[in-house]
Amino acid sequence: QQQVKQSPQSLIVQKGGISIINCAYENTAFDYFPWYQQFPGKGPALLIAIRPDVSEKKEGRFTISFNKSAKQFSLHIMDSQPGDSATYFCAASETGANNLFFGTGTRLTVIP
Amino acid sequence: DAGITQSPRHKVTETGTPVTLRCHQTENHRYMYWYRQDPGHGLRLIHYSYGVKDTDKGEVSDGYSVSRSKTEDFLLTLESATSSQTSVYFCAISRGSNQPQHFGDGTRLSIL
Repeated sequence: QQQVKQSPQSLIVQKGGISIINCAYENTAFDYFPWYQQFPGKGPALLIAIRPDVSEKKEGRFTISFNKSAKQFSLHIMDSQPGDSATYFCAASETGANNLFFGTGTRLTVIP
Repeated sequence: DAGITQSPRHKVTETGTPVTLRCHQTENHRYMYWYRQDPGHGLRLIHYSYGVKDTDKGEVSDGYSVSRSKTEDFLLTLESATSSQTSVYFCAISRGSNQPQHFGDGTRLSIL
């Protein structure tokens, strides 16, 4: 059973557009929500993370929006660039546990 | 990049043979993890370690064993490889439980 559900599976965006990837979870004990970026042949790299005490976190062109009541969180990439083309994974874990549960990934393609 | 080295980077072997993958870190992080990445599943935790000689099972531990005799090294062993264990294996490290995890560049393992 997938603990974290991610959509869409793939996404094509024009350069300069906004890319939006969504994730949902059921376990209300989750309290750490990171996003990872992965390029072909490389390991996932931590992009940005949020904890449920805030509803939004922004780092440069990347923003996480968090809706605790809906048990959903999303990644927004503003002014998307061809270099952002990669696979993005959301994940979730809870304090005291060591299992980071990943979504199934979104392959983003930014067209020049 | 986090100082994580996985070896080998690629391996092809036959069903029934033993296989050992190595993860070496230079960050002196306490926690180390082994994940496997498969299409449609994202990344799933196999085993993790919270100190020298201290290990525990993850979500998909059947058919795998691990050992950690030094802080810097975490080994993953497939005692008798099966075709279902064909995957890309990633090692990750973190300072502590529920802390950001940083990944190596993976080992692509094919079992024929």
